[in-house]
Order: sequence, then structure tokens, then C-alpha cells
Amino acid sequence: DAGVIQSPRHEVTEMGQEVTLRCKPISGHDYLFWYRQTMMRGLELLIYFNNNVPIDDSGMPEDRFSAKMPNASFSTLKIQPSEPRDSAVYFCASSLAGASPLHFGNGTRLTVT
Amino acid sequence: EDKVVQSPLSLVVHEGDTVTLNCSYEVTNFRSLLWYKQEKKAPTFLFMLTSSGIEKKSGRLSSILDKKELFSILNITATQTGDSAVYLCAVRNNAGNMLTFGGGTRLMVKP
Repeated sequence: DAGVIQSPRHEVTEMGQEVTLRCKPISGHDYLFWYRQTMMRGLELLIYFNNNVPIDDSGMPEDRFSAKMPNASFSTLKIQPSEPRDSAVYFCASSLAGASPLHFGNGTRLTVT
Repeated sequence: EDKVVQSPLSLVVHEGDTVTLNCSYEVTNFRSLLWYKQEKKAPTFLFMLTSSGIEKKSGRLSSILDKKELFSILNITATQTGDSAVYLCAVRNNAGNMLTFGGGTRLMVKP
């Protein structure tokens, strides 16, 4: 299996620009998670989906953040407008069932200047 | 709110040493505790623990859970430079399926 695939690997953008991060989960996995990792706050859950339906988005920091999962093999996390404090590594993860371990993608390193 | 605290924050040892990493937690309706290893990229799964007192082992790594005292330890024996990484502990409750992570322990193994 190819594992969880995220794109782009790196994104550098200017404050105010829209940023879209993409994720392809492992085939057959029905849970998808978006996490953000910073030195100060560690790994924080932003939102997760079950069978393409958002279940818990309480970790989404502001209305500037939105996530979608239009089908079982694709999800996006959008930030509009981006701010320097959004700079972080954004990880997507998927799991086969609720009690299974999460499998993480390699992350997208976002830098907002 | 679920909470996970790992100690120490960082650790430097020499090859061949044995290390013990600690994870304490507070969680409503505990379901499982997981350990991950993070080198430069994605966290990779090591162990999932659900029952107290049952050791999980993989090569030189082992882990055990104490649900009464609300902690887990990760042991690494005969450390190698390739063990250098951040080790993350996470808990899952019965209310949802997300993981709450601790801040990690950064391990450096010197030759």
C-alpha cells in the first residue's frame, strides 16, 4: 500500500493568500484526521471524518480554516486568508476503524510570510 | 478534556544504554494508549495498549500500561543511533476516535 499521501510537501505563501492542502488516505480506511504540529503546541487535532462525514471539528482554530472530504479517497484542508501564525506542519492520517492505529502521511510544511 | 504528559522532555544517552520513557494521562472513558516514533517526517506506529499489565514487545522495544495509576512506559534496550527520534504517546477515549497526543520525548543516542 502506498500509505497516506499528502501534497504539497512544502508550501510557502504570503499572508492573506489562500492555501489548500491535500490528502489521499489509505484505500479502505474509513476515518480521516487532520492534525497540525508546532514546536509550542505539539500535535493538535483539527478535524476528523468518518465515511466522508465530518464528526468533530472543534479543533479548527477559526473560520479561516475549512476541510472537506468529497469522497473516500480525497480530502482538503483550506486556509483562507492565511496568517503567519498558521505556519506549521499539517499531517493527514487515516485508520481502518475507530479503534485502529492512525497511519500518518509525511505532512505538509506550511510557511506563511 | 483529555490530557497526556510525557517525561522527560529530552534525553541523551550512549549506544547500548537502556532508556525508559514515561507517559501519564487523564482521560474520560479510556479506550487505548498508543506509542509512536517520529523521526523527520510522519509519526510511525509502535504499540497500542488497552489492558493493564500486559507487555507489548517488538525487538528491543517494549511497553506496558498501568490503568490504575494512569501511566505507560516505553523501554528501549541496547539503544542504537537509529533510535534517535521523538517518541509520542497518545490516548483515545470511548467518546470519539481521535487521538490526544503528549508533547513527546526527544531521544538522542550518541555513538
